[in-house]
Amino acid sequence: GESVGLHLPTLSVQEGDNSIINCAYSNSASDYFIWYKQESGKGPQFIIDIRSNMDKRQGQRVTVLLNKTVKHLSLQIAATQPGDSAVYFCAENMRGSQGNLIFGKGTKLSVKP
Amino acid sequence: ETGVTQSPTHLIKTRGQQVTLRCSSQSGHNTVSWYQQALGQGPQFIFQYYREEENGRGNFPPRFSGLQFPNYSSELNVNALELDDSALYLCASRGGGTGGPVLEQYFGPGTRLTVT
Repeated sequence: GESVGLHLPTLSVQEGDNSIINCAYSNSASDYFIWYKQESGKGPQFIIDIRSNMDKRQGQRVTVLLNKTVKHLSLQIAATQPGDSAVYFCAENMRGSQGNLIFGKGTKLSVKP
Repeated sequence: ETGVTQSPTHLIKTRGQQVTLRCSSQSGHNTVSWYQQALGQGPQFIFQYYREEENGRGNFPPRFSGLQFPNYSSELNVNALELDDSALYLCASRGGGTGGPVLEQYFGPGTRLTVT
């Protein structure tokens, strides 16, 4: 079935470097995508979103890129900090699904000091 | 913190038993969704409640059921527990009814259920 998945299960970066987390999706009916951060013992926390009619969106230290041609989503974190260590999920919202999100498996980001 | 609370934090049950998990929505939020998150996996949508009625369901059997109360708090009930039900159960609340923006969906910390 259609699903959201991630290319890499783990990512280790040096503090201060930029991080890029990738996600592939297969549902062309999705109208927007969300990146969540989940720290140990906590629920997913909203980071940034992007609608399907956009290619790029920037937040504070984060940028999300959407390539609809190859159905690829990425999250870029600038100047990665130890507090960024967590599991990151992309999620898609299918148009008309009444807000029920489809999550990928997640990428664990580890930041080395 | 999101304002969404869940209880209990952890729970251990035996296969075949029944369990009830509770969620208190963020103030003003009238829609609640429940997700199951197996270890090392992303959350999977179970169902959604709005105005005390289920109005969306994922691929989960009928032994997963829920309730939403007039104060918008919610319960997830699982009957005849199986070992594979061991997971983190998350609830998420949002306002605006079923058409409310998912972007403003806030997750609770979850209940860790272990079935032995």
